[in-house]
Amino acid sequence: DIQMTQSPSSLSASVGDRVTISCRASQSIGSHLNWYQQKPGKAPKLLIYDAYTLERGVPSRFSGSGSGTDFTLTISSLQPEDFAIYFCQRGDTPGTFGQGTRVEIK
Amino acid sequence: QLQLQESGPGLVKPSETLSLTCTVSGGSLSRSGHYWAWNRQPPGKTLEWVASVSYSGTIYYNPSLKGRVTISAETSKNQFSLRLTSVTAADTAVYYCAKDRGNHITDSWGQGTLVTVSS
Repeated sequence: DIQMTQSPSSLSASVGDRVTISCRASQSIGSHLNWYQQKPGKAPKLLIYDAYTLERGVPSRFSGSGSGTDFTLTISSLQPEDFAIYFCQRGDTPGTFGQGTRVEIK
Repeated sequence: QLQLQESGPGLVKPSETLSLTCTVSGGSLSRSGHYWAWNRQPPGKTLEWVASVSYSGTIYYNPSLKGRVTISAETSKNQFSLRLTSVTAADTAVYYCAKDRGNHITDSWGQGTLVTVSS
């Protein structure tokens, strides 16, 4: 089965920093890649789908890129409300998620 | 606005069957292009897609659950349900019902319900 590997597993950053999170698939998944944000005790929130399409209502500081096996989520200027865990997900069955990247306050 | 709410027991004994129901409000299970899904997340771990049923009734399962899972929809009640048989401690998780629009693009989630498998 295709494995989804995120890096780093955690990072510390300051408000205003540019943050990038990587997601690598063990085989090509085309552009079928979704990104979610999850805060403690809450359900995930869809940020980006099909690798780079911003979900309606999500701030434009979030962006996605990549195709095939290598994908990136970028937050251009980290805001206080962005401290959370971010997951990538393969967009075809069985919808495997990465292990998550925790973004913490430096 | 679409809302989803999970319901069911919070504690299940090992080897028994986990049963959960999701009640959907603000939208119809029969709406074209919508898929109704169960995802789960063990405490402190990543998420796992469990199963989906489409607006037309087509069903999809995660092969990793090896035939233990059943998803069903009752459109007259605007509810869909999950059954997971022969549970073990490894099935302890927060179970989320959700709506996606294909390709696992999951844009609406319930609040989640913790199910603990323990004697």
